[in-house]
Amino acid sequence: SQKIEQNSEALNIQEGKTATLTCNYTNYSPAYLQWYRQDPGRGPVFLLLIRENEKEKRKERLKVTFDTTLKQSLFHITASQPADSATYLCALTNNNNDMRFGAGTRLTVKP
Amino acid sequence: GAVVSQHPSWVICKSGTSVKIECRSLDFQATTMFWYRQFPKQSLMLMATSNEGSKATYEQGVEKDKFLINHASLTLSTLTVTSAHPEDSSFYICSARGTGHSNYGYTFGSGTRLTVV
Repeated sequence: SQKIEQNSEALNIQEGKTATLTCNYTNYSPAYLQWYRQDPGRGPVFLLLIRENEKEKRKERLKVTFDTTLKQSLFHITASQPADSATYLCALTNNNNDMRFGAGTRLTVKP
Repeated sequence: GAVVSQHPSWVICKSGTSVKIECRSLDFQATTMFWYRQFPKQSLMLMATSNEGSKATYEQGVEKDKFLINHASLTLSTLTVTSAHPEDSSFYICSARGTGHSNYGYTFGSGTRLTVV
């Protein structure tokens, strides 16, 4: 069966460090992968999209990598700040525009 | 940027009544909208795909007669939870993506917290 797994339910890091979140998938052929941020009681907010033929994408302090051989995406936040504390969701979309989400990783950045 | 407005943000209703949730794309046309349900500390689960002018496509296990979806225009989709029961209490979120937004992901509404008492 199709699975999308985000490495840990929760991740705690110190302010200024780099946060690295992992998204692994099985039995899925994504056309592209997205990362979203979700704050409590709010809808997800789009951060980055990376296509199957792309290795890396950057946006300000954010970096996403996509390895279709390993079936894995890594999401990095450099110079993390307490305001980065939120739940981060990865989502995979196939060629039929069928999008599925991982369970999310709750990131806490401590000052 | 693309904005999706979802209303209401929260609602409390009595068991057995129906509740309607609206999802509007404010500055773009959305031929397709998606409805999700999210339980506490869990991920978003796709309930149905709403297509303008045609019937919604429901995911396996989602009762189409209980969760009525109407997508009558390119900017509005509604989800009606009929004969709501306490187990329907959840966070409901809609999303949409306009044409030409293929590099910008999907835009989500702010969600509706439904509590059935």
